[in-house]
Amino acid sequence: GAGVSQSPSNKVTEKGKDVELRCDPISGHTALYWYRQSLGQGLEFLIYFQGNSAPDKSGLPSDRFSAERTGGSVSTLTIQRTQQEDSAVYLCASSFDPSGEQYFGPGTRLTVT
Amino acid sequence: KQEVTQIPAALSVPEGENLVLNCSFTDSAIYNLQWFRQDPGKGLTSLLLIQSSQREQTSGRLNASLDKSSGRSTLYIAASQPGDSATYLCAVRGGGFKTIFGAGTRLFVKA
Repeated sequence: GAGVSQSPSNKVTEKGKDVELRCDPISGHTALYWYRQSLGQGLEFLIYFQGNSAPDKSGLPSDRFSAERTGGSVSTLTIQRTQQEDSAVYLCASSFDPSGEQYFGPGTRLTVT
Repeated sequence: KQEVTQIPAALSVPEGENLVLNCSFTDSAIYNLQWFRQDPGKGLTSLLLIQSSQREQTSGRLNASLDKSSGRSTLYIAASQPGDSATYLCAVRGGGFKTIFGAGTRLFVKA
């Protein structure tokens, strides 16, 4: 079956604009994760969704970041009033259940000018 | 707070050599540990997942071990090939299912 997909693959935006990044998890996967990988940095956990439970938002760096997951499937990560330090690759992953293997999408490269 | 460290940061070996990559973590209360590889400019590819109740997992030329009590995992790569050149990442999933990644080991296998 299809893997995790993300769109857009690249996004260039001006400082101060809002952006939305989309993630389509593998069908049937109940857990969904967002991560950020800045240039030369490791992967940073942002947020975790499990089924219909309240998400774990402990990794979101500021209140400009938010995410939702509709119908237990597609997820959108929104960054408001983007800053240059938001430039990074945003990666999405899903797993069949909370203890399962995580499968990653190709990422969205965000550049804030 | 969980911290994950990978040693060495970079490694260069001749083709055919067996090698070991190390991952250590500070909090032994983990659910599982997963090894990934990341090729330049690409996403992550899952290699092996070890649940907290397991000691090791094998896939082809790869073997990963887990010692929770000492906070360590190793990834053993047998008979290395140039195609194994990549960055190898260790990821630890703990309480709340938050996943913490190490900084990675950049491996270069010389033909």
